Order: sequence, then C-alpha cells, then structure tokens
Amino acid sequence: EVQLVQSGAEVKQPGESLKISCQGSGYSFTSYWIAWVRQMPGKGLEWMGIIYPGDSDTRYSPSFQGQVTMSADKSISTAYLQWSSLKASDTAMYYCARTSSTSSHWFDPWGQGTLVTVSS
Amino acid sequence: SYVLTQPPSVSVAPGQTARITCGGNNIGSKSVHWYQQRPGQAPVLVVYDDSDRPSGIPERFSGSNSGNTATLTISRVEAGDEADYYCQVWDSSGDHPGVVFGGGTKLTVL
Repeated sequence: EVQLVQSGAEVKQPGESLKISCQGSGYSFTSYWIAWVRQMPGKGLEWMGIIYPGDSDTRYSPSFQGQVTMSADKSISTAYLQWSSLKASDTAMYYCARTSSTSSHWFDPWGQGTLVTVSS
Repeated sequence: SYVLTQPPSVSVAPGQTARITCGGNNIGSKSVHWYQQRPGQAPVLVVYDDSDRPSGIPERFSGSNSGNTATLTISRVEAGDEADYYCQVWDSSGDHPGVVFGGGTKLTVL
C-alpha cells in the first residue's frame, strides 16, 4: 500500500523555527515528486511547491518562495518542510501528497496532515 | 495567473444527482482533477485527467471537461458524500508553471 505518514502536530511561538516531515512507503520514493499543500483554518487548498526526492529538485509557488524550504532525505524516504522564523499567519494544516508521474500532476495519496499552530 | 472558479455551495437531496462546476479560461485544454475532503480529513482524489477514477472510487463519481467548464457529477448521492470538493489543474503557461486549485465547493446532502 502506498502511504505517506506525516509528523505530529506542533505548537510554536512566533519567531521560532520548525521542520515537519512526510515519510513515504510502498513505492519508489525517489521516482515521484512530493507536493506540499497548505490549508488555513476554514479555507481552501493552496499549493506551496514540489520536490523530487531523487535529486532534490524543487519548484516553489511564487506565493511561498522565500517563506519556506523544502528538502528530502532519500535514504529514509522522507520529505521535509521547514520555516526559519514562524509567524502567526503560518498557522494551518499542512499536507504532503505524492504527485503523479504524468505531466498532468494529480495528487494521490495524501498524508494525514500536520497541524501547525503559531501563537504567543 | 490561471484562476479556477467553483460555486461555494451545492445542495442536493439523497438519491439525486449533484453537479459541481469548475470554470477556467479554456479549461477544456487542460487535465482537471477532483478531490473530496470530508470534515477533519485529508483530501482524497476522486477523479483525475477529467474523467478517470482511481481504484476504490465508486462509479457514481464521474467527470467531464469542455470549453470553459469542467464538471464533477455525483449520481445517487448519499449522506456520506457530504464534503468539500476541489478541482485542480497544472498550469504550464507563464513564467511560473504550477498547480492551481479551485476555491472549493461545499456539498450539502439535504
């Protein structure tokens, strides 16, 4: 079974750093792009970017370029999303998802989500 | 940048057919994907490449795409279909190719 398992919920203060993870199993982790998607409370889905674990090639949405960093460790089939200085507006659910190997880029499956709360 | 427009809400009685639209400029030239997100859960792919269904998704879910509108059709609607539904495309135009989501449609089963 293809599966993505994300790290647990985080509560942080503004200005702190954070790295959340997404571990893949049941498929060749290095052969599929991994996407990150933000969902702010009560809002819709926003695409943040994608990373190819095979060579760590990354593509960021312009809205998130410079705000977050995507990385991957293919030796442990894990992708990461990190912030160097969190803001209250980063409070959201963050999902990772495997991207299809075709040029049309659908997402399946999704991780269960990591809830990030930033509050003083 | 490319914009996808969905109605905020659609309501339908059990057993009836729900149609959720996704509008975009010449969207018929793109491949459209649909996701179901039940409350408190992660999104699930229900239709990809306009009209294909992943394994495990009931035949009641179907999709079409032409001109400026893509449509997700749910036949014989059940209470368990109540969820938010999002359309998505890959926009390869412009300087920043990337994924675009519609704003989402809340399906209410009356």
